[in-house]
Amino acid sequence: QKEVEQDPGPLSVPEGAIVSLNCTYSNSAFQYFMWYRQYSRKGPELLMYTYSSGNKEDGRFTAQVDKSSKYISLFIRDSQPSDSATYLCAMSAIGGGSNYKLTFGKGTLLTVNP
Amino acid sequence: DVKVTQSSRYLVKRTGEKVFLECVQDMDHENMFWYRQDPGLGLRLIYFSYDVKMKEKGDIPEGYSVSREKKERFSLILESASTNQTSMYLCASSMGSMSETQYFGPGTRLLVL
Repeated sequence: QKEVEQDPGPLSVPEGAIVSLNCTYSNSAFQYFMWYRQYSRKGPELLMYTYSSGNKEDGRFTAQVDKSSKYISLFIRDSQPSDSATYLCAMSAIGGGSNYKLTFGKGTLLTVNP
Repeated sequence: DVKVTQSSRYLVKRTGEKVFLECVQDMDHENMFWYRQDPGLGLRLIYFSYDVKMKEKGDIPEGYSVSREKKERFSLILESASTNQTSMYLCASSMGSMSETQYFGPGTRLLVL
């Protein structure tokens, strides 16, 4: 089983839809969870950051972490064509030699159609 | 704002050439990383550095080396480029020993002919 699983999509939705993006993971030591957005031919940019379990909201974006299920989600409300990008989940454990490293999902390609 | 810059956006090289990719960050970050990104394979860590002159192998270090002589600069070297090193190369940096958030540069698309 891979450490982080993410459905690659592609996911295509109409403008205004609610989008749900998800990742599952197997390493119970992961404590820090991030979502990155990557536009075509650009580097990933940090979108959301969450520590441990719970929800975090930032404008139209909500990140959820359920550590008991080893499941994280990113919700996008009122999706816009400008949200069309690849979304990467990333996570990190603390302790030992893994302090510096992130484990990434492979990314989900999202297209929001006008 | 954190800024991570990479020396080239696009690069075309021939098999066997030595290739240097440069990365500079302007936020005094301790940690720097080199990844490659390929369709279907996602981001894979090549090397990282947590201090000047310090380096550690990532998941796919074969065929690559790195250099970090100054805190703000991290170089990736392809000693003898091969066609299977055609890829998107991404540099990232993060703040300190317990920092998780990495900030990425715009990437270098390398084509090895």
